[in-house]
Amino acid sequence: ETGVTQTPRHLVMGMTNKKSLKCEQHLGHNAMYWYKQSAKKPLELMFVYNFKEQTENNSVPSRFSPECPNSSHLFLHLHTLQPEDSALYLCASSQGSSGEPGADTQYFGPGTRLTVL
Amino acid sequence: TQLLEQSPQFLSIQEGENLTVYCNSSSVFSSLQWYRQEPGEGPVLLVTVVTGGEVKKLKRLTFQFGDARKDSSLHITAAQPGDTGLYLCAVSNSGYALNFGKGTSLLVTP
Repeated sequence: ETGVTQTPRHLVMGMTNKKSLKCEQHLGHNAMYWYKQSAKKPLELMFVYNFKEQTENNSVPSRFSPECPNSSHLFLHLHTLQPEDSALYLCASSQGSSGEPGADTQYFGPGTRLTVL
Repeated sequence: TQLLEQSPQFLSIQEGENLTVYCNSSSVFSSLQWYRQEPGEGPVLLVTVVTGGEVKKLKRLTFQFGDARKDSSLHITAAQPGDTGLYLCAVSNSGYALNFGKGTSLLVTP
């Protein structure tokens, strides 16, 4: 139990569906992240939020839309996805900007296994 | 070009054996982290190495940061089935997020 929860754990959706992934952290952290983990590829950073402000968008297609209503919650809204978007989507949190960039320890949730049909 | 190269990609050994996995780069880093990811879970931080030549031990796991801070190794002594998982090395970029290697998938059989 890392203090970061993700729901749902598994999701199957069609290409025309709209769904949302939810992440919640109970660690009092200020930074939250979305990563994508595909087979045979390294973990890919998608979005970074620091104090609820998006600080990085790593050239992610617009069919992925993040939302960070507060520093404890992070959403990833999914719309008209493609089969190649099937992957494990991981959320992480860290202390954030009060320290030196890059020195944070990141705590990961268990991920949402997404399958797009 | 991959920032971090991890080798081997897969490793299958029997309980009790020793093993070493590697994380290499042509770039210099201020710090490097090792994570382990078990099936169905997210990565969990094992250690952060900061100083060139640094050696850190975590029970049967020994981590070393290269003198030039470009590479790192993880040595496991007397591997156990509970060590099975994906071992990832990661470094930070200019922001707060991490760049990961592809990982070494380790299977330890009884």
